[in-house]
Amino acid sequence: QKEVEQDPGPLSVPEGAIVSLNCTYSNSAFQYFMWYRQYSRKGPELLMYTYSSGNKEDGRFTAQVDKSSKYISLFIRDSQPSDSATYLCAMSALSFGRGGGGNKLTFGTGTQLKVEL
Amino acid sequence: IAGITQAPTSQILAAGRRMTLRCTQDMRHNAMYWYRQDLGLGLRLIHYSNTAGTTGKGEVPDGYSVSRANTDDFPLTLASAVPSQTSVYFCASSVGKGQQYNEQFFGPGTRLTVL
Repeated sequence: QKEVEQDPGPLSVPEGAIVSLNCTYSNSAFQYFMWYRQYSRKGPELLMYTYSSGNKEDGRFTAQVDKSSKYISLFIRDSQPSDSATYLCAMSALSFGRGGGGNKLTFGTGTQLKVEL
Repeated sequence: IAGITQAPTSQILAAGRRMTLRCTQDMRHNAMYWYRQDLGLGLRLIHYSNTAGTTGKGEVPDGYSVSRANTDDFPLTLASAVPSQTSVYFCASSVGKGQQYNEQFFGPGTRLTVL
């Protein structure tokens, strides 16, 4: 079983729809939860990140984390054709080194979203 | 501000050949990373570096080596390429200070095909 599971899609919705993207995970040590957006043939870019459980809102995007269920979600309201991309969830525990350093991210496989006119 | 640059953009390589993928960042980040992205498998960490002069193995390090001679550059070398190394390779960096989470910034990627 993978540490992070994500439905690969593809998911196709009409413009203006509410989109729900989800990931489940098995490692209870994860504390940081991220959503990356990746356009075709581009590198991933950070969309939102949350620490521990709770909700975070940024414009049309809302991220939810439920650590008790090991489940995270990204909601997109009033979806636009420009939202068409692959959405990757990612999670992290502590940094690599005791004195700090990089974070080990564990990624989901990504969900491909297409928003149609 | 360039952020992270990677070279080449794409490459077709014969099996058995040596190849170095280049990565340079101009953000003075301490930590750098190499990932490969494959369909159905997502992004997997190959190697990382917490700071100049140090490197570590990630999830899939076999067949790859890295070096970190300075803050800005983090090349990835395939000593003898095999077809299973066909993938899209992403370099990333983060501030890498303290125990808290730092955002990882990704480069544009290198598409490598090994025949």
